[in-house]
Amino acid sequence: AQSVTQPDIHITVSEGASLELRCNYSYGATPYLFWYVQSPGQGLQLLLKYFSGDTLVQGIKGFEAEFKRSQSSFNLRKPSVHWSDAAEYFCAVLESGGYNKLIFGAGTRLAVHP
Amino acid sequence: KAGVTQTPRYLIKTRGQQVTLSCSPISGHRSVSWYQQTPGQGLQFLFEYFSETQRNKGNFPGRFSGRQFSNSRSEMNVSTLELGDSALYLCASSPSGGDSPLHFGNGTRLTVT
Repeated sequence: AQSVTQPDIHITVSEGASLELRCNYSYGATPYLFWYVQSPGQGLQLLLKYFSGDTLVQGIKGFEAEFKRSQSSFNLRKPSVHWSDAAEYFCAVLESGGYNKLIFGAGTRLAVHP
Repeated sequence: KAGVTQTPRYLIKTRGQQVTLSCSPISGHRSVSWYQQTPGQGLQFLFEYFSETQRNKGNFPGRFSGRQFSNSRSEMNVSTLELGDSALYLCASSPSGGDSPLHFGNGTRLTVT
């Protein structure tokens, strides 16, 4: 069965520092991968997606992610974090033939220190 | 374009009662999915509807049901509520499926006492 692992439950960074959130997936073929962000009391907002092609994907709010098939990873990065980036981040994979069934990781909660 | 709208935002119910949650997708989107979010289990897929037909269902008991109307609006129903049903219920819509990203609403927070 497909699965997504986000190894870091909590991450704290200083404002202005760089950020990398880790995501590993299990899936044999080329996966459809997503990163979503959730602010407290809100729904999920799509940051970026990977379907095929260029393995470095640009998203909104200055985020990017790199798909590495050899490592089964899809890590999210941002060169300089802003206090408003504090939120929970979810990596997800579309289940094959699943009609919009996303399998989510457990999430990484990001705290930003001033 | 208006986003995905879920009503109500908050609900408090008693064990044994039933509840209906509503979701209006983005205009033109024909697929509606439902997810349950809890601190213990995270985000879990409930079911997906497209053109009034359920195409996929997650691993939830039969107390959880849904439907979709001809205007793509969707409702989900939970009967005989249990304390463990307390969760944030998220609705998401997309034009069809497959490689179309899901757009999520802000959810309905259900508390069962």
